[in-house]
Amino acid sequence: ENVLTQSPATLSLSPGERATLSCRASQSVSSGHLAWYQQRPGQAPRLLIYATSSRATGIPDRFSGSGSGTDFTLTISRLEPEDFAVYFCQQFGRSTWTFGQGTKVEIK
Amino acid sequence: QVRLQESGPGLVKPSETLSLTCTVSGGSINSGAYYWSWIRQHPGKGLEWIGYIYHSGSTSNNPSLSSRVSMSVDTSKNQFSLKMTSVTAADTAVYYCARGNGYNNFPFDFWGQGTLVAVSS
Repeated sequence: ENVLTQSPATLSLSPGERATLSCRASQSVSSGHLAWYQQRPGQAPRLLIYATSSRATGIPDRFSGSGSGTDFTLTISRLEPEDFAVYFCQQFGRSTWTFGQGTKVEIK
Repeated sequence: QVRLQESGPGLVKPSETLSLTCTVSGGSINSGAYYWSWIRQHPGKGLEWIGYIYHSGSTSNNPSLSSRVSMSVDTSKNQFSLKMTSVTAADTAVYYCARGNGYNNFPFDFWGQGTLVAVSS
C-alpha cells in the first residue's frame, strides 16, 4: 500500500496569506496519479486538483499543485475566507486508491 | 452534471450486513472509463477507499476490507451497491459513493452527499 503522509496536520494562517501543504508518498506515485480535495464541515470532499497539477472544473487559479515521484504540494496563493477547510491528497496505483490523513487550514 | 445519491439504513446491528445503494443521474453508469466507488470517513477522521465496481461488473477492493466487502451494479437502474458483512462499531462512518475518472488520472470527480451509518445494538 502506498501510504500518503500530509504535513502539517494543522496550518494556522490569516486571510490573504499563502498556504503550502505537503503530501509525501511511501512509494513513487504512478504517472502523476495524484489529486487534492477540499472538505468543508458537513460536506463531501470536492476535487480541486488532478494529475498533480490540473485544476478541476470551476476551481479558482489561486489553487495550484506541483510535485513528482514521492513529494507533492498544494499551494493556495491568497487565502479567501471560504478556503479554511480540511485538504486531502489522494493517489491511485495498482487498481487501488489511498488518501492522506488531511491538513486542516484554520484561521489564525 | 453527474449526481450521485446514497441510500440505505442509517443503523445496523453488530454482526449484521451493511447494505447501501448509490443512484447515479446525469450520466450513464454503463459507459466510459469510470470506476464507481465507495469511500468512508470515520467521525472526525480521514478518508478510506473501500472498493470500486466497473460497469462490466469487475471489482477491486481495499485489501484491509476485502473479505467482508462485495459490490454489484444494476445498469438498468443506473445504480451500484455495497454490502459489508459482519459489521462492528469500527464500521460506524459516513459512507460516500463517488466516480473515479479513468480519463483524468483517476481522481474522484463526483461524490454523493454521504450517508451516516451507525453500528449499534
